[in-house]
Amino acid sequence: DQQVKQNSPSLSVQEGRISILNCDYTNSMFDYFLWYKKYPAEGPTFLISISSIKDKNEDGRFTVFLNKSAKHLSLHIVPSQPGDSAVYFCAASDGGAQKLVFGQGTRLTINP
Amino acid sequence: KAGVTQTPRYLIKTRGQQVTLSCSPISGHRSVSWYQQTPGQGLQFLFEYFSETQRNKGNFPGRFSGRQFSNSRSEMNVSTLELGDSALYLCASSHQLAGDTGELFFGEGSRLTVL
Repeated sequence: DQQVKQNSPSLSVQEGRISILNCDYTNSMFDYFLWYKKYPAEGPTFLISISSIKDKNEDGRFTVFLNKSAKHLSLHIVPSQPGDSAVYFCAASDGGAQKLVFGQGTRLTINP
Repeated sequence: KAGVTQTPRYLIKTRGQQVTLSCSPISGHRSVSWYQQTPGQGLQFLFEYFSETQRNKGNFPGRFSGRQFSNSRSEMNVSTLELGDSALYLCASSHQLAGDTGELFFGEGSRLTVL
């Protein structure tokens, strides 16, 4: 039972354009959501998070949107840069980040 | 400040053997979590330790176990290895007290191959 789903295994975007990565969840008890980025041969690194009491959080080129009624969140990267090429994982938790439920990941490729 | 250190980075075992993986968290972090990453499954939560006590547990069989020492270092053990245990095992540490939110800091992982 996949409680967090990233339905796009891969995404290819032109440098300078917007990258939009999507994530759906099924557990209405989730109250905290995070995005992690992972390069090959490295561990995931934290990118941005959002609490369920908000619907948007921004950090530089990265913005996360949360639609609780649709149980959907998205990560927007504007403008996309070649260094953004990585696998992006969406994660969710219900009561603390000690036990995160991750999606399968989306491989983002930024083309020059 | 040193990051999360995992050893060994790579190892090959055969079915039926057991394996022990080690994780040294960032200095001062008291919570250590373990995740299994396999193709198509993403990262799946194994367990989390805080102050030498298992605080959370994922849906893995009892062959998967772990412990945490007084210096917050953690080990996980997999007994009677199966082919399906081949994966990248990631350790993550954090300051967190129960209920706190915040980021996890991941190590580079231990890649286990079971033949």
